[in-house]
Amino acid sequence: QVQLQESGPGLVKPSETLSLTCTVSGGSISSYYCSWIRQAPGKGLEWIGYMSYSGSTNYNPSLKSRVTISVDTSKNQFSLRLTSVTAADTAVYFCATQLPGSYFDYWGQGTLVSVSS
Amino acid sequence: DIQMTQSPSTLSASVGDRVTITCRASQSISIWLAWYQQKPGKAPQLLIYKASSLESGVPSRFSGSGSGTEFTLTITSLQPDDFGTYYCLRYDSYSRTFGQGTKVEI
Repeated sequence: QVQLQESGPGLVKPSETLSLTCTVSGGSISSYYCSWIRQAPGKGLEWIGYMSYSGSTNYNPSLKSRVTISVDTSKNQFSLRLTSVTAADTAVYFCATQLPGSYFDYWGQGTLVSVSS
Repeated sequence: DIQMTQSPSTLSASVGDRVTITCRASQSISIWLAWYQQKPGKAPQLLIYKASSLESGVPSRFSGSGSGTEFTLTITSLQPDDFGTYYCLRYDSYSRTFGQGTKVEI
């Protein structure tokens, strides 16, 4: 059974960079596309983007200029960087896996990141 | 970009009721739609994929239908454990878009 676990700082200052890591166990990260999704408090789900196992990426156009997703196959991990954060980036961030052109199948439990000085 | 519109945003129902949630796409997405249930503080759980395929382990009271631009999720006999928020997700080779969610209150 594939399991995902997010990790990273729970508090980030405005204008700084949010960095999160997702560790995958029970399966090889090379078999999946790696995605990030977020959910602001009391709001709906927002897809951030994904990286394919060939290294190509696709990002939500609304976040594209600030987002980078990368994969470290040696550690079975993938990461999210979101630059120039504001209070509007406060959310629970989920990592998830998907097959090409498919829905999200495995999810992490989510981690809350607050943006505040 | 393709927009997904869910309705209603909130639904109050009783145990045993038949419940229907609708998701409309701003342009045709064929059958590339999934449905998730989310409970407070938890990650979403997959219910339906490819518009009408039931995920393994999901009770048969859940069903999905539709194609093109209009899709429905039906719960034939609502159970107490079915409270939560339901989201549709459209997916293709390049992008993903969630509907805004439907909160089901029992």
